[in-house]
Amino acid sequence: EDKVVQSPLSLVVHEGDTVTLNCSYEVTNFRSLLWYKQEKKAPTFLFMLTSSGIEKKSGRLSSILDKKELFSILNITATQTGDSAIYLCCLQGAQKLVFGQGTRLTINP
Amino acid sequence: NAGVTQTPKFQVLKTGQSMTLQCAQDMNHEYMSWYRQDPGMGLRLIHYSVGAGITDQGEVPNGYNVSRSTTEDFPLRLLSAAPSQTSVYFCASSYEGTIYNEQFFGPGTRLTVL
Repeated sequence: EDKVVQSPLSLVVHEGDTVTLNCSYEVTNFRSLLWYKQEKKAPTFLFMLTSSGIEKKSGRLSSILDKKELFSILNITATQTGDSAIYLCCLQGAQKLVFGQGTRLTINP
Repeated sequence: NAGVTQTPKFQVLKTGQSMTLQCAQDMNHEYMSWYRQDPGMGLRLIHYSVGAGITDQGEVPNGYNVSRSTTEDFPLRLLSAAPSQTSVYFCASSYEGTIYNEQFFGPGTRLTVL
């Protein structure tokens, strides 16, 4: 059964810190891994990763996938209070999408 | 483009009542899905559809029915609501069969079952 495990489940840091969020997975037929940010409402798309070792970057956020060790990380540098959210990792297998539990990130000023 | 729309935004039901959560998308997406989100549980897949006339169960299908008679609409039916179905429900859609499989989410329906 396809499975996604995120860690940590909760993280509190100070503004300006760098954070690394982890996502490990098990899948029978990998198609892609996606990261989402969820604030008060629906998740919003951050990255889609399909190939190992290729970093995707958007401003202070970056993500990379390791298909051999079956994990992905999401890095946020110079964090701001607006980065406070739940970050969701999502795996696309043969047909279904499977989400992890999410990491609740809180940035204190 | 309206994207993915869901109605209602909020709903309160009594145990045993039935209702349908509506979901529609105007992007001609083949793939549509329903998730529920409970505190600390992330998003869990209830049912999904890869095209009109085709549906399948996700991780937590019990107590829910779906149908997909058109590409645009994917309603979720609760046959006999239970307090355990109190949750926030999200509908999502995406292209299927291409690499463009970013999920587009609706705004969510907050359901309370008393």
